[in-house]
This record gives sequence, C-alpha cells and structure tokens, in this order.
Amino acid sequence: LAKTTQPISMDSYEGQEVNITCSHNNIATNDYITWYQQFPSQGPRFIIQGYKTKVTNEVASLFIPADRKSSTLSLPRVSLSDTAVYYCLVVGMDSSYKLIFGSGTRLLVRP
Amino acid sequence: DTAVSQTPKYLVTQMGNDKSIKCEQNLGHDTMYWYKQDSKKFLKIMFSYNNKELIINETVPNRFSPKSPDKAHLNLHINSLELGDSAVYFCASSQDLTISEQYFGPGTRLTVT
Repeated sequence: LAKTTQPISMDSYEGQEVNITCSHNNIATNDYITWYQQFPSQGPRFIIQGYKTKVTNEVASLFIPADRKSSTLSLPRVSLSDTAVYYCLVVGMDSSYKLIFGSGTRLLVRP
Repeated sequence: DTAVSQTPKYLVTQMGNDKSIKCEQNLGHDTMYWYKQDSKKFLKIMFSYNNKELIINETVPNRFSPKSPDKAHLNLHINSLELGDSAVYFCASSQDLTISEQYFGPGTRLTVT
C-alpha cells in the first residue's frame, strides 16, 4: 500500500480556508484517496474519498491532480470545532477494508 | 441511537488478568474491525470480521481473541494482560469489505497496571 506523507501540524484561524496536502508518490492505479478526521477521545470519522480531479461534499473538498501523486483536503471557513487530527489514507480497491493510518496532521483552529 | 457502541469506555486492570471489550453496531453492516491506538496515537488495525468470518489478523499476539457471535457484535477478549496492552481500542464497522468508509465506536481506554 502506498505510503503517505502529510504535515505533522497546522495552525489556522476561524473563518479561514485550510488546505492540507498529502503526498503519495507510489500510489497505484487501483488505489484511491480517503480522508478521516479524529477529534480527541473519539474514533476517526470518514470525511471524503476520491480517485481523481475534484470531489466535494458538505464537509470538504478533495483535489487530486492528474498524476495522483498528491492530494489536498480543503476545509472551507474552519471553526474551532474543526480542531482535530486529519488522516490521509491510500486505499486499494481490492483491499478497501484495510485502512492503514499514518501519523496524521494536527489542525489547530484559533479564535 | 449510537451506531457503533463499545463497553466499557474505561478499563483499568492489573497485569496477568483477562478482560473483554464488547462492541455492537446497529447499522446492519457486514464487516467489523478492531483497532488499537497507542500512546503515540498511531492507529493500527488488529482484526477484521466479515459476516462472522475472520478476514484480517494483523500479527496480533494470540492472547487477543476476537469473537463474533453475530454480524452485529464483535467482542475482543484479552488474556494475560501486559503493560504494553495499555491503549485505546476502537471498534469499527463498514457496509462490507468493498467499502472503505468505516464507522468507529467511541473507544475503550485500557490501562494495565
């Protein structure tokens, strides 16, 4: 499974847009990108998933360039409650159930 | 209603004891998992069950024995607890093996003294 690299931590302020980039240079053709969010003392929560170009839902957008070697999770107008750890995962289509979590990005949103 | 629930939420016990953690999901999912999150916050999959059948056993000591009495339940029994077993254990479920969207429970914080 492709290894992912993402920043250890990021700081932002309420109301700003936050972009968290993840690199996955060894992503395979059958892999897709999935992002999870984890609040303190809670289990991770699925945010968004995509294969290429752009995916948007009510929570976030996911941008994936043509070479798919990186992806960017975009959180519009963050609030204090978006303070959490964000995990980027590369998941194989033939092993969708096997999630491998890295160290994630700790996002701190300040007032 | 809680989608994935675990009991207990906290568990403090001594080395050498045997303990169980229970997990239930009311989502009608076919697949359930156990994860371990250690003090460094790394989350690692331990087991996966699909329709009560073991799918993944990720180099976990055989002191850990999952049991799935039915699709909605996946319990974790741990024998001869060791200090290194101290961690937060998360149960999760997904619709089936093809879906990477997993629903996690609130976690059970196990402390072995």
